[in-house]
Amino acid sequence: QSVLTQPPSVSAAPGQKVTIVCSGSSSNIGNNDVSWFQFIPGTAPRVVMYGNSKRPSGIPDRFSGSKSGASATLDITGLQTGDEAEYYCGTWDRSLRAGVFGTGTTLTVL
Amino acid sequence: QLVESGGGVVQPGGSLRLSCVTSGMTFRVFGMHWVRQAPGKGLEWLSYIRDNGREVQYADSVKGRSTISRDNSKKTLYLDINSLTPEDTAVYFCVKDLYGWNPDGNFDHWGQGTQVTVSS
Repeated sequence: QSVLTQPPSVSAAPGQKVTIVCSGSSSNIGNNDVSWFQFIPGTAPRVVMYGNSKRPSGIPDRFSGSKSGASATLDITGLQTGDEAEYYCGTWDRSLRAGVFGTGTTLTVL
Repeated sequence: QLVESGGGVVQPGGSLRLSCVTSGMTFRVFGMHWVRQAPGKGLEWLSYIRDNGREVQYADSVKGRSTISRDNSKKTLYLDINSLTPEDTAVYFCVKDLYGWNPDGNFDHWGQGTQVTVSS
């Protein structure tokens, strides 16, 4: 059972922008960093954001992240068909003393 | 790079050892996690071990029947799980933490995963 909540799906046309929100609590997102992961079937999971807003090398600046209170956001602009994937957020929960992940969001580029 | 191995088909009640061989990183200075994804399900965090191996954490779902360990000389992470049930069927990933200790949500690199199927 996921501790963090994400919308089940988002969609937009190529070139447009989508926002994925990850909601948690003060024991997790509120007091820790958030990472975002891209899952495409048949490929290794890819980190697209860490430290709330830091992009790993190789991730285009079309991807951006932010955090406010107990929620985090992943924005993807200039959508491309290659961005279609399942996206998960993740962080650490200080009360549970455990890693926690979001419910996952399917991105469809129409 | 993180490369998991050790998965396969295991009978209920059985056990297995998963391994994660790392390269291209100074393994001994980073904390490491195990995460799994059951078919059609989301991600489930399983376990964490700090850089020197002296601190570990487990999810309730595997606590008492799993052991995370590491061999820094071999740059390898392990997860031993016993008393397996069909509910343990999943892809198991090793995940690198950004820091050596005090995990705070920075999972910054994932392996490709190894499939574990528990079935008779």
